[in-house]
Amino acid sequence: AQSVTQLDSQVPVFEEAPVELRCNYSSSVSVYLFWYVQYPNQGLQLLLKYLSGSTLVKGINGFEAEFNKSQTSFHLRKPSVHISDTAEYFCAVTNFGNEKLTFGTGTRLTIIP
Amino acid sequence: DTAVSQTPKYLVTQMGNDKSIKCEQNLGHDTMYWYKQDSKKFLKIMFSYNNKELIINETVPNRFSPKSPDKAHLNLHINSLELGDSAVYFCASSPSGSWGETQYFGPGTRLLVL
Repeated sequence: AQSVTQLDSQVPVFEEAPVELRCNYSSSVSVYLFWYVQYPNQGLQLLLKYLSGSTLVKGINGFEAEFNKSQTSFHLRKPSVHISDTAEYFCAVTNFGNEKLTFGTGTRLTIIP
Repeated sequence: DTAVSQTPKYLVTQMGNDKSIKCEQNLGHDTMYWYKQDSKKFLKIMFSYNNKELIINETVPNRFSPKSPDKAHLNLHINSLELGDSAVYFCASSPSGSWGETQYFGPGTRLLVL
């Protein structure tokens, strides 16, 4: 079975400050990892994903994430946030042979002007 | 053009009623999904269809019945609505449904059962 833990339900950050949103996963086999973003009153859209290769993955809107197998983590980072980054961020996992995407409980990122 | 669209956007109804939510994708994808997002934002898959065939059927009450008339459409019919069905329902699609694919989500249908 696979699972995802997002330890922080809410993260307030000042505008132009860096941010890290934490994600840890649990799986007995190799995983594929995703970050999705949900802007207010909208559906989810993909920020970035890790399938294989380089452990540092770059996504849209200046976000990046690093896959760390030993720590079973896939933390999301941005060096300088903007008001428009205010949204709910979801980490998700699936693995080889499993068509089902399992989501974490989400982290609400609030940008303080 | 909207890639994945859902209707209606909002749905307010009484307990015991039957309602349907429609979903259409114009991406040419073979696989479509229904997710339920509860009041705490927890997102859980309900069903997936690949080319009109049911692939994933999570532990969902029988009152929920998905129907896929063609691979571009996946509708969700809910019988005898209950208070606990209040949630946001998202439709999504992906090219073939295999692991690692990006899923494309619709804007959601906000269902409120009174």
